[in-house]
Amino acid sequence: EVQLLESGGGLVQPGGSLRLSCAASGFTFANYDMTWVRQAPGKGLDWVSGFFAHGGSTYYADSVKGRFTISRDTSKNTLYLQMNSLRAEDTAIYYCVRGREGTAWGQGTLVTVSS
Amino acid sequence: DIVMTQSPDSLAVSLGERATINCKSSHTVLYSSNNKNYVAWFQQKPGQPPQLLIYWASTRESGVPDRFSGSGSGTDFTLTISSLQAEDVAIYYCQQYYGTPHTFGQGTKLEIK
Repeated sequence: EVQLLESGGGLVQPGGSLRLSCAASGFTFANYDMTWVRQAPGKGLDWVSGFFAHGGSTYYADSVKGRFTISRDTSKNTLYLQMNSLRAEDTAIYYCVRGREGTAWGQGTLVTVSS
Repeated sequence: DIVMTQSPDSLAVSLGERATINCKSSHTVLYSSNNKNYVAWFQQKPGQPPQLLIYWASTRESGVPDRFSGSGSGTDFTLTISSLQAEDVAIYYCQQYYGTPHTFGQGTKLEIK
């Protein structure tokens, strides 16, 4: 069974940092593109960042470029999102997603940026 | 960035009737080398993560009921629920994965009339 388990969310002050993790199981993690998608409270879906397996390329939404860094550790089957210089508008549930088509989603981890 | 615009924003349909949601992209999402449209459709129920319904614009994900279908090509796409069931009440999103960022439509809220 495919499972994606996010962790690392929480309350952080503006300007602070968090690192999200996504532990993957039930599939060959190294072979899949992986993305982070967020959803602000009561709002729609917002694509944040992608790690594409072929070539290890990384991509970011303009709103997070220069502040967030996506990475993965295939030995641990884990995807990461390092988030720096956090802003109030980064407050959201962050989902870990398998594949560009979104074939599997985690339950999400809530990040709250507030003083 | 490719902008995905869904219509309508909300929709009320009677049980057993057809529901149709449209999605228009600001740029073609048809990749000519493989003739595939890089569009997916998701269903999100309250308190749950989104669930993939359709990918490549018209390929139903495994386990998704056959009352859900996707169509369209280029810039115009449609999600159709042929006979609405009570459990289909949800918000539906389209997404393009043709180019980064892989943008989503704003969502369509589907309710029972």
